[in-house]
Amino acid sequence: KQEVTQIPAALSVPEGENLVLNCSFTDSAIYNLQWFRQDPGKGLTSLLLIQSSQREQTSGRLNASLDKSSGRSTLYIAASQPGDSATYLCAVNIYNQGGKLIFGQGTELSVKP
Amino acid sequence: GAGVSQSPSNKVTEKGKDVELRCDPISGHTALYWYRQSLGQGLEFLIYFQGNSAPDKSGLPSDRFSAERTGGSVSTLTIQRTQQEDSAVYLCASSLASANTEAFFGQGTRLTVV
Repeated sequence: KQEVTQIPAALSVPEGENLVLNCSFTDSAIYNLQWFRQDPGKGLTSLLLIQSSQREQTSGRLNASLDKSSGRSTLYIAASQPGDSATYLCAVNIYNQGGKLIFGQGTELSVKP
Repeated sequence: GAGVSQSPSNKVTEKGKDVELRCDPISGHTALYWYRQSLGQGLEFLIYFQGNSAPDKSGLPSDRFSAERTGGSVSTLTIQRTQQEDSAVYLCASSLASANTEAFFGQGTRLTVV
């Protein structure tokens, strides 16, 4: 059974810091891994999708890496801003189960001005 | 519309009543998913529709939960005889195809059973 774990559960940093969020999964038979952002009381916003054949994806100040063989992904946020404060969720799309996503518990990020 | 639309955004119901939650996916998306987000439980998969195929209902927690998708577009999630443990945010998502495509989520329906 696929399990997805995110560390840390919560993180507080001063504005301007670079930071790394971690995601690990137990079964490497995945189509892709997605990172999402969730603001309080809101739905999920897709940030980055990495295909299983890819090593990384970049969007602006965000960079996500994927090491499928070791079951790990990281989300790197450069020059953090207070507006980055949110919960970040990773999810894997596993083989032979359509588009069903298995989510981690999330990392709650707070960026202090 | 441009995104996935869910209604209502908030619903308060009495224990034992039935509720219906609605999801309008992005136009042209053939796959539609329902997830539940409970405090302390994270996001869990409920049900998945892909085109005309039989839905994957493997995540539905009990037979009080059901969902349908009419005309390959709008979906309704129905919870019968609601219980307090059904209180959660119900999120709908859609994607272009069944697997290996980006999922786009709605804003969710917050259900409170009193």
